Amino acid sequence: SAVISQKPSRDICQRGTSLTIQCQVDSQVTMMFWYRQQPGQSLTLIATANQGSEATYESGFVIDKFPISRPNLTFSTLTVSNLSPEDSSIYLCSVDPGSSYEQYFGPGTRLTVT
Amino acid sequence: RKEVEQDPGPFNVPEGATVAFNCTYSNSASQSFFWYRQDCRKEPKLLMSVYSSGNEDGRFTAQLNRASQYISLLIRDSKLSDSATYLCVVSQTNDYKLSFGAGTTVTVRA
Repeated sequence: SAVISQKPSRDICQRGTSLTIQCQVDSQVTMMFWYRQQPGQSLTLIATANQGSEATYESGFVIDKFPISRPNLTFSTLTVSNLSPEDSSIYLCSVDPGSSYEQYFGPGTRLTVT
Repeated sequence: RKEVEQDPGPFNVPEGATVAFNCTYSNSASQSFFWYRQDCRKEPKLLMSVYSSGNEDGRFTAQLNRASQYISLLIRDSKLSDSATYLCVVSQTNDYKLSFGAGTTVTVRA
Protein backbone atom coordinates (compact mmCIF):
# COMPACT_ATOMS: atom_id res chain seq x y z
CA SER A 1 0.00 0.00 0.00
CA ALA A 2 0.95 3.67 0.16
CA VAL A 3 0.45 6.57 2.53
CA ILE A 4 -1.31 9.45 0.79
CA SER A 5 -2.02 12.92 2.07
CA GLN A 6 -4.17 15.64 0.59
CA LYS A 7 -4.33 19.35 1.21
CA PRO A 8 -6.55 21.07 2.04
CA SER A 9 -8.81 18.63 3.85
CA ARG A 10 -11.74 20.97 3.31
CA ASP A 11 -12.46 24.41 1.95
CA ILE A 12 -15.33 26.77 1.36
CA CYS A 13 -14.94 28.81 -1.81
CA GLN A 14 -16.96 31.45 -3.57
CA ARG A 15 -18.35 30.82 -7.01
CA GLY A 16 -16.10 31.91 -9.83
CA THR A 17 -12.89 31.23 -7.92
CA SER A 18 -10.59 28.20 -8.17
CA LEU A 19 -9.26 25.67 -5.71
CA THR A 20 -6.05 23.70 -6.09
CA ILE A 21 -5.82 20.39 -4.27
CA GLN A 22 -2.49 18.77 -3.54
CA CYS A 23 -1.84 15.05 -3.31
CA GLN A 24 1.40 13.71 -1.83
CA VAL A 25 2.45 10.06 -1.74
CA ASP A 26 5.13 8.55 0.48
CA SER A 27 6.62 6.49 -2.36
CA GLN A 28 7.15 6.84 -6.08
CA VAL A 29 4.17 5.73 -8.13
CA THR A 30 3.51 5.87 -11.83
CA MET A 31 -0.26 5.76 -11.77
CA MET A 32 -2.18 8.48 -9.96
CA PHE A 33 -5.89 9.20 -10.30
CA TRP A 34 -8.34 11.92 -9.36
CA TYR A 35 -11.92 11.14 -8.41
CA ARG A 36 -15.01 13.08 -7.45
CA GLN A 37 -17.63 11.86 -5.00
CA GLN A 38 -20.76 13.92 -4.99
CA PRO A 39 -23.01 13.85 -1.92
CA GLY A 40 -24.63 10.47 -1.46
CA GLN A 41 -23.04 9.03 -4.57
CA SER A 42 -20.16 6.77 -5.45
CA LEU A 43 -16.84 7.72 -6.97
CA THR A 44 -16.44 9.01 -10.49
CA LEU A 45 -13.04 9.09 -12.15
CA ILE A 46 -12.05 12.55 -13.34
CA ALA A 47 -8.67 11.79 -14.88
CA THR A 48 -5.56 9.64 -14.82
CA ALA A 49 -2.33 11.53 -14.15
CA ASN A 50 0.89 9.79 -15.10
CA GLN A 51 4.21 11.48 -14.62
CA GLY A 52 5.76 12.67 -17.83
CA SER A 53 2.58 12.75 -19.86
CA GLU A 54 -0.58 14.78 -20.16
CA ALA A 55 -3.45 13.76 -17.94
CA THR A 56 -6.14 11.62 -19.54
CA TYR A 57 -9.65 12.89 -18.83
CA GLU A 58 -12.82 10.86 -18.64
CA SER A 59 -15.95 11.71 -20.54
CA GLY A 60 -17.59 14.78 -19.06
CA PHE A 61 -14.40 16.24 -17.61
CA VAL A 62 -12.20 18.72 -19.46
CA ILE A 63 -8.76 20.15 -18.87
CA ASP A 64 -9.94 23.75 -18.79
CA LYS A 65 -12.18 22.99 -15.83
CA PHE A 66 -9.92 20.46 -14.08
CA PRO A 67 -6.27 21.18 -14.91
CA ILE A 68 -3.89 18.65 -13.43
CA SER A 69 -0.18 18.76 -12.80
CA ARG A 70 2.09 15.78 -12.18
CA PRO A 71 5.60 17.17 -11.76
CA ASN A 72 7.14 14.05 -10.22
CA LEU A 73 6.37 10.51 -9.07
CA THR A 74 5.17 11.49 -5.59
CA PHE A 75 3.03 14.56 -6.17
CA SER A 76 0.07 15.83 -8.16
CA THR A 77 -2.35 18.73 -8.07
CA LEU A 78 -5.91 19.06 -9.27
CA THR A 79 -7.40 22.51 -9.79
CA VAL A 80 -11.15 22.97 -9.93
CA SER A 81 -11.67 26.18 -11.89
CA ASN A 82 -14.47 28.70 -12.18
CA LEU A 83 -16.30 27.14 -9.26
CA SER A 84 -20.05 26.77 -9.16
CA PRO A 85 -22.22 25.22 -6.44
CA GLU A 86 -22.44 22.06 -8.56
CA ASP A 87 -18.72 21.53 -7.92
CA SER A 88 -19.42 21.02 -4.22
CA SER A 89 -18.11 17.54 -3.69
CA ILE A 90 -15.34 15.44 -2.20
CA TYR A 91 -12.26 15.16 -4.39
CA LEU A 92 -9.96 12.21 -3.84
CA CYS A 93 -6.64 11.20 -5.28
CA SER A 94 -5.57 7.61 -5.48
CA VAL A 95 -2.50 5.65 -6.52
CA ASP A 96 -1.81 2.24 -7.92
CA PRO A 97 1.57 1.38 -6.42
CA GLY A 98 2.01 -1.98 -8.11
CA SER A 99 0.75 -4.16 -10.90
CA SER A 100 -2.29 -5.60 -9.14
CA TYR A 101 -4.74 -2.87 -10.18
CA GLU A 102 -5.43 -2.16 -6.50
CA GLN A 103 -5.79 1.53 -5.73
CA TYR A 104 -5.25 3.35 -2.46
CA PHE A 105 -6.97 6.61 -1.68
CA GLY A 106 -6.05 9.83 -0.01
CA PRO A 107 -8.34 11.19 2.73
CA GLY A 108 -10.15 13.48 0.33
CA THR A 109 -10.81 17.20 0.07
CA ARG A 110 -14.30 18.37 0.91
CA LEU A 111 -15.18 21.38 -1.22
CA THR A 112 -18.19 23.59 -0.63
CA VAL A 113 -18.95 26.32 -3.12
CA THR A 114 -21.15 29.18 -1.97
CA ARG B 1 -27.02 0.37 -17.90
CA LYS B 2 -24.51 1.08 -15.14
CA GLU B 3 -21.19 -0.73 -15.30
CA VAL B 4 -21.48 -1.89 -11.70
CA GLU B 5 -24.76 -2.26 -9.83
CA GLN B 6 -25.29 -2.97 -6.18
CA ASP B 7 -28.25 -3.39 -3.86
CA PRO B 8 -28.01 -0.16 -1.85
CA GLY B 9 -29.49 -1.78 1.26
CA PRO B 10 -29.44 -0.85 4.03
CA PHE B 11 -28.84 -4.22 5.58
CA ASN B 12 -29.58 -3.95 9.28
CA VAL B 13 -28.29 -6.96 11.15
CA PRO B 14 -27.67 -7.85 14.79
CA GLU B 15 -24.20 -8.50 16.09
CA GLY B 16 -23.08 -12.02 15.35
CA ALA B 17 -25.30 -12.42 12.31
CA THR B 18 -24.17 -13.28 8.81
CA VAL B 19 -24.88 -10.82 6.02
CA ALA B 20 -24.28 -11.29 2.33
CA PHE B 21 -24.83 -9.15 -0.72
CA ASN B 22 -23.97 -9.12 -4.39
CA CYS B 23 -23.03 -6.80 -7.15
CA THR B 24 -23.33 -7.28 -10.88
CA TYR B 25 -21.07 -5.92 -13.60
CA SER B 26 -21.94 -5.34 -17.23
CA ASN B 27 -18.62 -5.78 -19.03
CA SER B 28 -17.77 -9.42 -19.56
CA ALA B 29 -14.16 -8.38 -20.30
CA SER B 30 -13.68 -7.20 -16.72
CA GLN B 31 -10.70 -8.88 -15.12
CA SER B 32 -10.06 -7.41 -11.68
CA PHE B 33 -12.56 -7.20 -8.89
CA PHE B 34 -12.44 -5.67 -5.46
CA TRP B 35 -14.47 -4.86 -2.41
CA TYR B 36 -13.75 -1.54 -0.75
CA ARG B 37 -15.13 -0.31 2.53
CA GLN B 38 -16.08 3.32 3.06
CA ASP B 39 -16.92 4.72 6.46
CA CYS B 40 -18.97 7.89 6.78
CA ARG B 41 -17.00 10.92 5.66
CA LYS B 42 -13.87 8.85 5.04
CA GLU B 43 -12.05 7.64 1.97
CA PRO B 44 -12.62 4.15 0.52
CA LYS B 45 -10.26 1.51 1.83
CA LEU B 46 -9.44 -1.73 0.11
CA LEU B 47 -11.12 -4.61 1.92
CA MET B 48 -10.12 -7.42 -0.40
CA SER B 49 -9.43 -8.36 -3.96
CA VAL B 50 -11.72 -11.01 -5.43
CA TYR B 51 -10.12 -13.94 -7.19
CA SER B 52 -11.67 -16.40 -9.60
CA SER B 53 -11.44 -19.20 -7.07
CA GLY B 54 -12.99 -17.10 -4.35
CA ASN B 55 -11.13 -15.98 -1.29
CA GLU B 56 -11.52 -15.56 2.41
CA ASP B 57 -10.00 -13.07 4.83
CA GLY B 58 -11.03 -13.76 8.37
CA ARG B 59 -14.76 -13.24 8.64
CA PHE B 60 -15.05 -11.97 5.07
CA THR B 61 -15.56 -14.22 2.05
CA ALA B 62 -15.69 -13.00 -1.53
CA GLN B 63 -16.89 -14.98 -4.53
CA LEU B 64 -16.77 -14.29 -8.24
CA ASN B 65 -19.20 -15.79 -10.74
CA ARG B 66 -17.98 -14.92 -14.21
CA ALA B 67 -20.77 -16.76 -16.01
CA SER B 68 -23.42 -14.66 -14.31
CA GLN B 69 -21.17 -11.60 -13.94
CA TYR B 70 -21.62 -11.06 -10.26
CA ILE B 71 -19.46 -10.74 -7.18
CA SER B 72 -20.56 -11.46 -3.65
CA LEU B 73 -19.36 -10.53 -0.20
CA LEU B 74 -20.30 -12.45 2.93
CA ILE B 75 -19.58 -11.22 6.42
CA ARG B 76 -19.77 -13.77 9.22
CA ASP B 77 -20.14 -13.03 12.92
CA SER B 78 -20.86 -9.36 12.26
CA LYS B 79 -19.29 -6.80 14.54
CA LEU B 80 -20.48 -3.28 15.29
CA SER B 81 -17.32 -2.08 13.55
CA ASP B 82 -18.43 -3.70 10.30
CA SER B 83 -21.04 -0.95 9.89
CA ALA B 84 -20.02 0.84 6.71
CA THR B 85 -20.76 1.17 3.02
CA TYR B 86 -19.24 -1.59 0.92
CA LEU B 87 -18.25 -0.63 -2.60
CA CYS B 88 -18.00 -3.15 -5.41
CA VAL B 89 -15.21 -2.18 -7.79
CA VAL B 90 -14.30 -3.55 -11.20
CA SER B 91 -11.51 -2.86 -13.64
CA GLN B 92 -10.99 -3.96 -17.22
CA THR B 93 -8.20 -5.97 -18.76
CA ASN B 94 -4.99 -3.95 -18.97
CA ASP B 95 -6.86 -0.88 -17.85
CA TYR B 96 -6.10 0.71 -14.53
CA LYS B 97 -9.38 2.57 -14.44
CA LEU B 98 -11.80 1.42 -11.76
CA SER B 99 -15.58 1.47 -11.97
CA PHE B 100 -17.35 1.83 -8.65
CA GLY B 101 -20.76 0.63 -7.62
CA ALA B 102 -22.93 2.98 -5.61
CA GLY B 103 -22.33 0.93 -2.47
CA THR B 104 -24.24 -1.32 -0.09
CA THR B 105 -24.84 0.05 3.37
CA VAL B 106 -24.53 -2.37 6.27
CA THR B 107 -25.53 -1.44 9.80
CA VAL B 108 -24.73 -3.84 12.60
CA ARG B 109 -26.73 -3.23 15.79
CA ALA B 110 -25.98 -4.33 19.31
